[in-house]
Amino acid sequence: QVQLQQWGAGLLKPSETLSLTCAVYGGSFSGYYWSWIRRPPGKGLEWIGEINHSGSTTYNPSLKSRVTISIDTSKNQFSLKLTSVTAADTAVYYCARRGSGTSAYPLWGQGTLVTVSS
Amino acid sequence: EIVMTQSPATLSVSPGERATLSCRASQSVSSNLAWYQQKPGQAPRLLIYGASTRATGIPARFSGSGSGTEFTLTISSLQSEDFAVYYCQQYNNWPYTFGQGTKLETK
Repeated sequence: QVQLQQWGAGLLKPSETLSLTCAVYGGSFSGYYWSWIRRPPGKGLEWIGEINHSGSTTYNPSLKSRVTISIDTSKNQFSLKLTSVTAADTAVYYCARRGSGTSAYPLWGQGTLVTVSS
Repeated sequence: EIVMTQSPATLSVSPGERATLSCRASQSVSSNLAWYQQKPGQAPRLLIYGASTRATGIPARFSGSGSGTEFTLTISSLQSEDFAVYYCQQYNNWPYTFGQGTKLETK
């Protein structure tokens, strides 16, 4: 059974860089698209971006200037970096995998709460 | 980007009754729409994709319909475990976008 396990720093100061990693256990890494999605407190979900096993990325234009998603196929991991964070970046961040044959998300990590506060 | 609007924001329904949740897209997304359920402290759970196909393991009381810009999620007979927040998501155009959610609460 495929599982996603994510980790990273949960408390940041404004202007710092958010860094999260998601590991894929029990399944193939190739052939899928791997995404980051976040949910700010009291708001809906926001799609951040995605990467495939070849390293091709697509980002949300609203975050594109600050986001980098990278992949390490040797470790079956992918990562998110978001620079120059502000309080508006406070959210629960999820890693997720698109389904095969659909771009919906049947597989999610457990979520990481990231709080930006001075 | 495509804006997804869900209504109502909160829906109060008694267990055993039927719940109908709506999702509207600002432009056509064909049938490229998914529904998720989220409970506090948990990741979203995929219920429906392709507007009407139940995901693996999802009970038959959950059904989705619609295409283009208007979509509906129906829960035919609410169980206690169904009270949660529900989100729709379009994946027809980048960036993929979600609705703001409908909170389904016990009446």
